[in-house]
Amino acid sequence: QVQLQESGPGLVKPSETLSLTCTVSGDSVTSHYWSWIRQPAGKGLEWIGRISASGNIIYKSSLQSRVTMSVDTSKNQFSLKLHSVTAADTAVFYCARLRYTNGVFFPEDSWGQGTLVTVSS
Amino acid sequence: DIVVTQSPDSLAVSLGERATINCKSSQSVLYTSNNRNYLAWYQQKPGQPPKLLIYWASTRESGVPDRFSGSESGTDFTLTISSLHAEDVAVYYCQQYLIAPRTFGQGTRVEIK
Repeated sequence: QVQLQESGPGLVKPSETLSLTCTVSGDSVTSHYWSWIRQPAGKGLEWIGRISASGNIIYKSSLQSRVTMSVDTSKNQFSLKLHSVTAADTAVFYCARLRYTNGVFFPEDSWGQGTLVTVSS
Repeated sequence: DIVVTQSPDSLAVSLGERATINCKSSQSVLYTSNNRNYLAWYQQKPGQPPKLLIYWASTRESGVPDRFSGSESGTDFTLTISSLHAEDVAVYYCQQYLIAPRTFGQGTRVEIK
């Protein structure tokens, strides 16, 4: 059974870079695609982007200028960097598996527990 | 981006009664190669990540109780809980996953009347 766990600082200063890592167990990062989704407190879900181990990446266009995603196959991890953060970026960030099987994309079917990142000085 | 709109924003249903949530996409999410609508439903309980309930508009994820069902008509989709249980209190989201960026509805809160 696949498990995902987000890790990273819970507090980031405005204008700095938010960095999170998702560690995957029970599956290989080379097998599927991997997503980042965020959720401000009391609000809905916002899809940030997805990545594959082969380097196939799509970012949400409105965040594209500030987002970088990467995969480390040796550690079975993938990462998110969000640059030049403001208070509006404060949210719970989730990593998730985007199942991709036999050339077919599925929705995100396994999620980490989420990590709260607060942007504040 | 495809806009996905849910209704209602919240509803209160008596235990054992039916709950119905609607979702409308601003454009087709039908993948013509396999004739499937790329529309999913999630359940999110407080303090927990979303849980996938249904994909392809009407296919239940493994382990999801059969009181949850999805239906489709063009760009209109429905999630039905046939008989509400106490543990079904949650916020429900629909998501289109045909075209990036994947987009979610704003969520529907289901409570006990």
